[in-house]
Amino acid sequence: DTGVSQDPRHKITKRGQNVTFRCDPISEHNRLYWYRQTLGQGPEFLTYFQNEAQLEKSRLLSDRFSAERPKGSFSTLEIQRTEQGDSAMYLCASSGWGQGSSDNEQFFGPGTRLTVL
Amino acid sequence: QKEVEQDPGPLSVPEGAIVSLNCTYSNSAFQYFMWYRQYSRKGPELLMYTYSSGNKEDGRFTAQVDKSSKYISLFIRDSQPSDSATYLCAMSGRYSSASKIIFGSGTRLSIRP
Repeated sequence: DTGVSQDPRHKITKRGQNVTFRCDPISEHNRLYWYRQTLGQGPEFLTYFQNEAQLEKSRLLSDRFSAERPKGSFSTLEIQRTEQGDSAMYLCASSGWGQGSSDNEQFFGPGTRLTVL
Repeated sequence: QKEVEQDPGPLSVPEGAIVSLNCTYSNSAFQYFMWYRQYSRKGPELLMYTYSSGNKEDGRFTAQVDKSSKYISLFIRDSQPSDSATYLCAMSGRYSSASKIIFGSGTRLSIRP
C-alpha cells in the first residue's frame, strides 16, 4: 500500500495522560500536514511540515500539542495532559510531486480516533 | 462567518438521479478548489481538484468553480448507492506552494436504491 498510513487507528486514554500518534506519508511527498476533525465538521488545519521544517502552526495547536518530523519522513503528533475536548479524529495528509499529483493535492490517511475519558 | 459555507444536509436522492452539491466562500485569495469524499470513520478521499474558475469532468463527476460569485459545485451523474458518503468542499490560497486547506463542514449524501 503506497498511501498515507497512521498508527494507531484508535486510542482511548484517560484525562491527563499523554498520547502520541504516528503518520507515514506517501514516500516521495515532502509536505506533511496534521488536521483535526470533530463529529459533523470538516477537518481543521493544525500544522504542516516541508521536509523536517515545521512551517505553519494553527492557533488550535495549544502548548500541549507538539509535532515533529525529525528526518523529513514520518511525523509524530503528541498531546500532553489530554483533556476531554481533545477527543476527535486526527488526520494526516501529505503532498508533493509524484504519482501524477501536484504539490497542492493533499492525500489523507485513515486517521487516528482519540477518545479521552 | 465561516470562510467556507456548506449545507450539511442530509441529502437523500433516488439511485440514478443527478446530485448537486454546493459551497460558497468569502476569501477571494482562494485559488485551488477541491472536493473530498469521506465514508463513515474513514479519512477524506480526494475526488476532484481544480485551479481557478471553470469546469472539470472526471467520469460521473463534474466540478464547477465560479470565482466571480465565490461559488463552487460538484455534480454527480447516474448516482449509485456507493456514492452515499459525506462530501467535503475544500480550498486553499497559495498558488506557488502547497498550503493548508480550509474545509466546509460537509454534506451528508444518501442514495436510495
